[in-house]
Amino acid sequence: TQLLEQSPQFLSIQEGENLTVYCNSSSVFSSLQWYRQEPGEGPVLLVTVVTGGEVKKLKRLTFQFGDARKDSSLHITAAQTGDTGLYLCAGEETDSWGKLQFGAGTQVVVTP
Amino acid sequence: KAGVTQTPRYLIKTRGQQVTLSCSPISGHRSVSWYQQTPGQGLQFLFEYFSETQRNKGNFPGRFSGRQFSNSRSEMNVSTLELGDSALYLCASRWAGGSYEQYFGPGTRLTVT
Repeated sequence: TQLLEQSPQFLSIQEGENLTVYCNSSSVFSSLQWYRQEPGEGPVLLVTVVTGGEVKKLKRLTFQFGDARKDSSLHITAAQTGDTGLYLCAGEETDSWGKLQFGAGTQVVVTP
Repeated sequence: KAGVTQTPRYLIKTRGQQVTLSCSPISGHRSVSWYQQTPGQGLQFLFEYFSETQRNKGNFPGRFSGRQFSNSRSEMNVSTLELGDSALYLCASRWAGGSYEQYFGPGTRLTVT
């Protein structure tokens, strides 16, 4: 059982559409990170959120950390084909010494 | 600044053999974590090293071990390989001075036949 539940598991949209990926848990995290991974490569860090209620924007990507630091969301505006990839959320509990708990991932496919 | 490097990138081993994977962290980073990624289980934490000391360990059998050297480079070893050990092995480094960000290397793809 994954400590972090991501939804949806798969998302297929057309270029220009918006999408939201959710990451939920019953645990409280000291930080939560979002990564994007291409096949056969390591995950690439997109953002880290640490404060409850925090909102971070990275160009067309908006990340939110829940007030209770148990959940997060990733919203992409006007998706582009370059946004295609596996999106992973990962949380670190307090005093867990470098141990990230990962969600199962959301595979996003953006078609022209 | 160079990113995290892992060698080798691909490896094919036979069941029962052992394997050593290497990870060089980003310059100045002192913490290295290792993860196993499989289609069925996703990304699972193996262990974390800081200043040559293992501070945390995941739920893996004792066949999986690691170490860290004084220059922060790290190795992980898997002995008596099983077919189920086939996976992408990823290491991630972190500055560890109160930062949260972990930066991943490209991974080592291990295939056990």
